[in-house]
Amino acid sequence: QVQLQESGPGLVKPSQTLSLTCSVSGGSISSGGYHWSWIRQYPGKGLEWIGYIYYNGDTYYSPSLKSRINMSVDTSKNQFSLKMSSVTAADTAVYYCARAPTRSSVFDPWGQGTLVTVSS
Amino acid sequence: SSELTQDPTVSVALGQTVRITCRGDSLRNYYGSWYQQKPGRAPLLVIFGQNNRPSGIPDRFSGSSSGYTTSLTITGAQAEDEADYYCNSRDSSGNVVFGGGTKVTVL
Repeated sequence: QVQLQESGPGLVKPSQTLSLTCSVSGGSISSGGYHWSWIRQYPGKGLEWIGYIYYNGDTYYSPSLKSRINMSVDTSKNQFSLKMSSVTAADTAVYYCARAPTRSSVFDPWGQGTLVTVSS
Repeated sequence: SSELTQDPTVSVALGQTVRITCRGDSLRNYYGSWYQQKPGRAPLLVIFGQNNRPSGIPDRFSGSSSGYTTSLTITGAQAEDEADYYCNSRDSSGNVVFGGGTKVTVL
């Protein structure tokens, strides 16, 4: 079955750029039919959708974050990535990658998540 | 508005039935999905669409929708069902929204 795994620095300084990668195994991003999302969860609870990318590089970002984020896909490595610029302490969260069928918001599976702390 | 509203906490006696609700404008046009999250773990899809369970999800979990509300029902709650439960949906623009979560305590 498809599995996702996030990777990247666990600590980022304020004003810098957060960079994360999601590696997909058990299935190919380039097979299509799905979009690949980033979702974050703040300490204490709330989930926030960040955006998604398709195998061909088409993206759709959350309106509240679109000025600071960029997603990319590398089908040769079966990976997709997130870059978020100008981070602040408010961006401290567990970041998940997840898959959903095209035009759907049904996320399955999810990666295990990676904690990113923004601090100097 | 594309917000989804959930009650923060719900409790249920072991073996009894509990219903968790999620309300929002987007649910009038789009089905909600439900996720179970246990401490330190990623969310797990338990219900999607009209009332569909992924493989491996016990049939004591069921879903329903009416108007601006979607509900998750656990019939015969077990100790292992104690968790946070989140609903989500999408809106007409393609944005994805999550509810604030409901903590289910099994007494």
